[in-house]
Amino acid sequence: AQRVTQPEKLLSVFKGAPVELKCNYSYSGSPELFWYVQYSRQRLQLLLRHISRESIKGFTADLNKGETSFHLKKPFAQEEDSAMYYCALIENSGGYQKVTFGTGTKLQVIP
Amino acid sequence: DTAVSQTPKYLVTQMGNDKSIKCEQNLGHDTMYWYKQDSKKFLKIMFSYNNKELIINETVPNRFSPKSPDKAHLNLHINSLELGDSAVYFCASSKGTSGGASETQYFGPGTRLLVL
Repeated sequence: AQRVTQPEKLLSVFKGAPVELKCNYSYSGSPELFWYVQYSRQRLQLLLRHISRESIKGFTADLNKGETSFHLKKPFAQEEDSAMYYCALIENSGGYQKVTFGTGTKLQVIP
Repeated sequence: DTAVSQTPKYLVTQMGNDKSIKCEQNLGHDTMYWYKQDSKKFLKIMFSYNNKELIINETVPNRFSPKSPDKAHLNLHINSLELGDSAVYFCASSKGTSGGASETQYFGPGTRLLVL
């Protein structure tokens, strides 16, 4: 069974400090991993996906198959980055998707 | 245009009542989902549904039932509401391909349900 672990419920950093939100997964196939973000009282939205290998709002995430990790990083945190971040593993199977979300990490950027 | 919309935004009701939450997507997607986000912000998938198949998370009580009048809508019916049903419920949709890369899911704004 696929599983996604986000070990930190809360991560507090000072503005300008580097940020790393941890995500580890277990999955027998070839994983497709995403990071979703939820700002206060807003809908969940896609932040980035590993196959795009892009940087969004200064965030990057590299899939490390050896360590089964997909950590989200940003070199300099901004106050507007404060939000809930969810790591998700998606399995595409026969026309539907099986989605497993991590439990989420609340990022709090202190001014 | 809102891609995925839900109504109502807030729902306050008494224990034991039956209620529905509506979801509509105008993206032309084939697959829709319902998620529950509890007070600890833990997000859990409840259902995924496309034209062919309803996938139910086995931990979801059978008081919850999705109903899809057409491809653009997936409504959530809840019977005999309980206190523990209080949460934020999110609808989402994706293209739902039959193979290849997984699709991004687009979420609705959420419905805050409070059961008294």
